[in-house]
Amino acid sequence: NAGVTQTPKFQVLKTGQSMTLQCAQDMNHNSMYWYRQDPGMGLRLIYYSASEGTTDKGEVPNGYNVSRLNKREFSLRLESAAPSQTSVYFCASSGMVSNQPQHFGDGTRLSIL
Amino acid sequence: AQSVTQPDIHITVSEGASLELRCNYSYGATPYLFWYVQSPGQGLQLLLKYFSGDTLVQGIKGFEAEFKRSQSSFNLRKPSVHWSDAAEYVCAVGPPEGTYKYIFGTGTRLKVLA
Repeated sequence: NAGVTQTPKFQVLKTGQSMTLQCAQDMNHNSMYWYRQDPGMGLRLIYYSASEGTTDKGEVPNGYNVSRLNKREFSLRLESAAPSQTSVYFCASSGMVSNQPQHFGDGTRLSIL
Repeated sequence: AQSVTQPDIHITVSEGASLELRCNYSYGATPYLFWYVQSPGQGLQLLLKYFSGDTLVQGIKGFEAEFKRSQSSFNLRKPSVHWSDAAEYVCAVGPPEGTYKYIFGTGTRLKVLA
């Protein structure tokens, strides 16, 4: 089925470890996004990529890096994980115009001990 | 600044009862509006969207929403709730012109009593 695929679905890390969250979409969308979702705070934008070859910071970029590998793939990297980064991470994609809804992956549940 | 407010954090209704979830927005122009549903362990799924035209829009799973410009609201409704509707509901505004940043509400968690 067409959509947004995130891997892994669950991950437990120790403080200081690094990891990369993977995201791929097969809807030929130009824009891709990474969000974190914490209780009571809704979705907060970490980074986004308006089109292949570009990335920009969102509301909460500190401690994260991203790579727009090609039009399909947009990865999120935690270089040195901290307990404050325990969250559910969602990748989304959309067309280029403002009236297009976002399509979301099922999320990665990340716990940092 | 643009914002989306969902005043109700939790709502509980009995199965078969009607439902209305509130969403208010602050936006300088006519917004593009969306309602999403999030089931436990899942991502956000689009229920419906409003761009222009008819202010009452129909979505999937029997949901509808009404855009009221004078009240800056886009409330979600369902005439008769089913137990499977228990989930988190999130209202969102499409990116302001020239940006790519969607604006999300904090969500309303719906509980359905049998």
